[in-house]
Amino acid sequence: GQQVMQIPQYQHVQEGEDFTTYCNSSTTLSNIQWYKQRPGGHPVFLIQLVKSGEVKKQKRLTFQFGEAKKNSSLHITATQTTDVGTYFCAGPDPQGAGNMLTFGGGTRLMVKP
Amino acid sequence: NAGVTQTPKFQVLKTGQSMTLQCAQDMNHEYMSWYRQDPGMGLRLIHYSVGAGITDQGEVPNGYNVSRSTTEDFPLRLLSAAPSQTSVYFCASSSGLLDTQYFGPGTRLTVL
Repeated sequence: GQQVMQIPQYQHVQEGEDFTTYCNSSTTLSNIQWYKQRPGGHPVFLIQLVKSGEVKKQKRLTFQFGEAKKNSSLHITATQTTDVGTYFCAGPDPQGAGNMLTFGGGTRLMVKP
Repeated sequence: NAGVTQTPKFQVLKTGQSMTLQCAQDMNHEYMSWYRQDPGMGLRLIHYSVGAGITDQGEVPNGYNVSRSTTEDFPLRLLSAAPSQTSVYFCASSSGLLDTQYFGPGTRLTVL
């Protein structure tokens, strides 16, 4: 089945620095979703990308979907302490359980004030 | 709307005990899922349902049972708890198979 890999697993940044997490799939994805989980909380949907090469922005967050639709990235400009949490990507697994979403292992972001 | 609710929030079991984790949603979503979250391993799908009366296995189904008698409820049963089932369990619902997943607050389970 599909594997969705995320790097890095952890990232410490100083407040104000930029942050990027990368998501790579072993198969082509029809779409990719990004979620954020605050410490002690539950995953919350951020965005979905569908088109090859798509770029979407949410304030300081920029999401990209690769041209081949096998990778994606989330970039945060000028991190703030409110950005702390774990960021997950998720994509449909066409060979997996009922084509349900497969989640990456997540990137845990820690921000030093 | 309450969204997705889960009970209990915390649970400690002894090896061999059984219990049911409750999940309910009030968004009239057809699709519901159970995930477990372990450090460094992301969210792994245990079981899912595409509608009342229909369930199927996910990536890590062993040791768990589910049923879906109503659209709203999707309980997860641990038949005989094992320490390897110590984890945080999330229930999620969505309107479509690949649509936005709405997660509940989670149940933190410890099996001694």
